[in-house]
Amino acid sequence: DSGVTQTPKHLITATGQRVTLRCSPRSGDLSVYWYQQSLDQGLQFLIQYYNGEERAKGNILERFSAQQFPDLHSELNLSSLELGDSALYFCASSLRTSRAYTDTQYFGPGTRLTVL
Amino acid sequence: AQSVTQLGSHVSVSEGALVLLRCNYSSSVPPYLFWYVQYPNQGLQLLLKYTSAATLVKGINGFEAEFKKSETSFHLTKPSAHMSDAAEYFCAVSDWQGAQKLVFGQGTRLTINP
Repeated sequence: DSGVTQTPKHLITATGQRVTLRCSPRSGDLSVYWYQQSLDQGLQFLIQYYNGEERAKGNILERFSAQQFPDLHSELNLSSLELGDSALYFCASSLRTSRAYTDTQYFGPGTRLTVL
Repeated sequence: AQSVTQLGSHVSVSEGALVLLRCNYSSSVPPYLFWYVQYPNQGLQLLLKYTSAATLVKGINGFEAEFKKSETSFHLTKPSAHMSDAAEYFCAVSDWQGAQKLVFGQGTRLTINP
């Protein structure tokens, strides 16, 4: 158990819909990362927040957005869903973010999104 | 930008045999490298990480990896495979672009034959 929790575990929805994925980081971790794992693209970084502020964006679609709340939990919002958005979405957390030191990222169990 | 290449999407070994999973990296700066394991229907678990302290890194479950700068490699090994090692293994490099995002390889699925 990494200490990172994600809800829900599974999500099945229809094209065009909007969903919200939730992540609670490990106790004390200030950084939250979102990754997408799909069969064709593999594991890809989406976005990172540190202590409530967006720090970096990766291959995140404009239809997707995220935020980190004062209690440090994070939500990933996916809208106008398409079949190709079906994937496993992981949240990871780390203590901090610094060029001088590489903190380990601890991953949650993931949310499996199926778009029908 | 940093990248990693995992050679072999699928590796099959017999129980008790040596496990060798290959990873080559591309980095313009001294890299931070990681191996993660993903068991079926689970998240990613850190096996080990290299942060320039020592070239031979020991991880959990008997795995270790050796950083070889001249070969730009960070191969993962285990002397004797166990049935419980069957999983997908990911090599990753830390890419600093304002944040320490991880860039993952495509993964290697390890199968253990009894």
